Amino acid sequence: GQQVMQIPQYQHVQEGEDFTTYCNSSTTLSNIQWYKQRPGGHPVFLIQLVKSGEVKKQKRLTFQFGEAKKNSSLHITATQTTDVGTYFCAGATAGTYKYIFGTGTRLKVLA
Amino acid sequence: EAGVVQSPRYKIIEKKQPVAFWCNPISGHNTLYWYLQNLGQGPELLIRYENEEAVDDSQLPKDRFSAERLKGVDSTLKIQPAELGDSAVYLCASSPPRLAGISVGELFFGPGTRLTVL
Repeated sequence: GQQVMQIPQYQHVQEGEDFTTYCNSSTTLSNIQWYKQRPGGHPVFLIQLVKSGEVKKQKRLTFQFGEAKKNSSLHITATQTTDVGTYFCAGATAGTYKYIFGTGTRLKVLA
Repeated sequence: EAGVVQSPRYKIIEKKQPVAFWCNPISGHNTLYWYLQNLGQGPELLIRYENEEAVDDSQLPKDRFSAERLKGVDSTLKIQPAELGDSAVYLCASSPPRLAGISVGELFFGPGTRLTVL
């Protein structure tokens, strides 16, 4: 079945450093969503990407969808302590809204 | 606007006992998901409803898990009998109809029910 992997599993950065997490799907996706889960909380929607090669920005966050629609990345510029949490990608294949979540990247930001 | 409501928030039971979780989605959200999340892992889809119809339950262990969404609003997930390996957080999420310019079908998650099976 469809699998979605993320790397790295963990990332510790100093405040102000950049951070990137990569998401890879075993199958071609129709769209991909990104979520953030704070410690002890539940996943919260960040953004959705639909088009091949699409790039979207939200303040310090930059999201990319690969040309083949099988991979995606999230880049955070100049991390802040408020960025702490686990970032998940979730992909759906064409014709479904069955979102399969990735393994997640846990980000810790050291002040 | 109220979010997705789940109850109970915590449940501790002994193995072989039954347990049920309840979810009330955001008003107007026709799609409802049940996910299971183990510590340090991503949510795993158990079942997805479109209104009252279960459109994807391929990952629901049907020998012990059951779910229903009567009237296409709130939903119940049941485990009978529970096993030690069922200890996890059970997340309910709902999604609004996908309308251009209004919604992309993002998932809104509830706080989850943390189940501990002893």
